[in-house]
Amino acid sequence: GESVGLHLPTLSVQEGDNSIINCAYSNSASDYFIWYKQESGKGPQFIIDIRSNMDKRQGQRVTVLLNKTVKHLSLQIAATQPGDSAVYFCAEEDLRAGNNRKLIWGLGTSLAVNP
Amino acid sequence: DVKVTQSSRYLVKRTGEKVFLECVQDMDHENMFWYRQDPGLGLRLIYFSYDVKMKEKGDIPEGYSVSREKKERFSLILESASTNQTSMYLCASRAGQGFEKLFFGSGTQLSVL
Repeated sequence: GESVGLHLPTLSVQEGDNSIINCAYSNSASDYFIWYKQESGKGPQFIIDIRSNMDKRQGQRVTVLLNKTVKHLSLQIAATQPGDSAVYFCAEEDLRAGNNRKLIWGLGTSLAVNP
Repeated sequence: DVKVTQSSRYLVKRTGEKVFLECVQDMDHENMFWYRQDPGLGLRLIYFSYDVKMKEKGDIPEGYSVSREKKERFSLILESASTNQTSMYLCASRAGQGFEKLFFGSGTQLSVL
């Protein structure tokens, strides 16, 4: 299944399917992008990050794709499991801002995995 | 593993009380952050600090102050708590410059009655 994080905040998928969570970022100068997962009652946990000189980066069951032309970021989760149920946040940052750099956060997408 | 510890998981305070939220990290990180998280509004940055005794306003600093007297500790202060400050508060830290991810604490759910 697919979702656009800011416009469709809930994504429901079947266990075992692949999930795609999308994020439109705002600043064309951003050069660092990051995905976090937040389970109920917990703080956000790092999933994967990518720098602007890359288009794709893979982790364990997760892949992040970056399309700078259209300022779009996506998180792909392979073989989604019930433990993947959480809210997923994308964030962007311009590292050239030095000490004033700060992450700009998306509003999050809720992923629900149906057994 | 990096550990970011927030002193309280749940807090209930009265309107007008002075409230201290404490955060400690154990990885000698230079940067520390305080966010609040409200349903539908995502994470909003209150204050951050990139070094001891340094502080910078985030996007919503009104009604809050911070203190960073030691590198490992970053305190958020509500001088006079109000009901609209009822929220989940998240502390985070990261190493200094470069491509560094944030490490978050478990959060403090503050209710102001």
